[in-house]
Amino acid sequence: QQQVKQSPQSLIVQKGGISIINCAYENTAFDYFPWYQQFPGKGPALLIAIRPDVSEKKEGRFTISFNKSAKQFSLHIMDSQPGDSATYFCAASRNSNSGYALNFGKGTSLLVTP
Amino acid sequence: NAGVTQTPKFQVLKTGQSMTLQCAQDMNHEYMSWYRQDPGMGLRLIHYSVGAGITDQGEVPNGYNVSRSTTEDFPLRLLSAAPSQTSVYFCASRRGGEKLFFGSGTQLSVL
Repeated sequence: QQQVKQSPQSLIVQKGGISIINCAYENTAFDYFPWYQQFPGKGPALLIAIRPDVSEKKEGRFTISFNKSAKQFSLHIMDSQPGDSATYFCAASRNSNSGYALNFGKGTSLLVTP
Repeated sequence: NAGVTQTPKFQVLKTGQSMTLQCAQDMNHEYMSWYRQDPGMGLRLIHYSVGAGITDQGEVPNGYNVSRSTTEDFPLRLLSAAPSQTSVYFCASRRGGEKLFFGSGTQLSVL
């Protein structure tokens, strides 16, 4: 069962535009929501993360918006650049005594055209 | 620091063969994990470990074994390779906080 649902599967945005990727989760015990960025042939790398005690977190051109009541969170990439072309994964996890695992969405392939 | 090192980068196996994917980290991370990545499926957790001598199953553990004899190493063993195990495998580790560090992956093909 997919614990984190991500959309869209692919996205094409013009340079300078806003890229928006959405995720939804069901498990209310989740308390950590990161986004990972993956370039071809590389492993994913942490981009930005949020905890549910805040509704928004911004780092440079990247912003996470979090809606606890709707159990949804999204990644906004402002002023998108061709170098942002990559696959983006949202994820969610909860803390537990046995260690917690990240549950990933299926990924969004972003292409930013010049 | 080298970070998380995976070997080999590429491997081709025949159905029924066994092999071990190696993973080592030099960051003194207590948590290590293995994911597989398949097109349209995202990253799925195979096994994880919260410290030497402790391992547990993830979402898709069947056909794979792990052990954790040292903090640094977390090998993934394919017991009898099947075409369904054709995938890209990522090892990842972290310490304390939530940031997960990934290796560069092993691309495995099972014919």
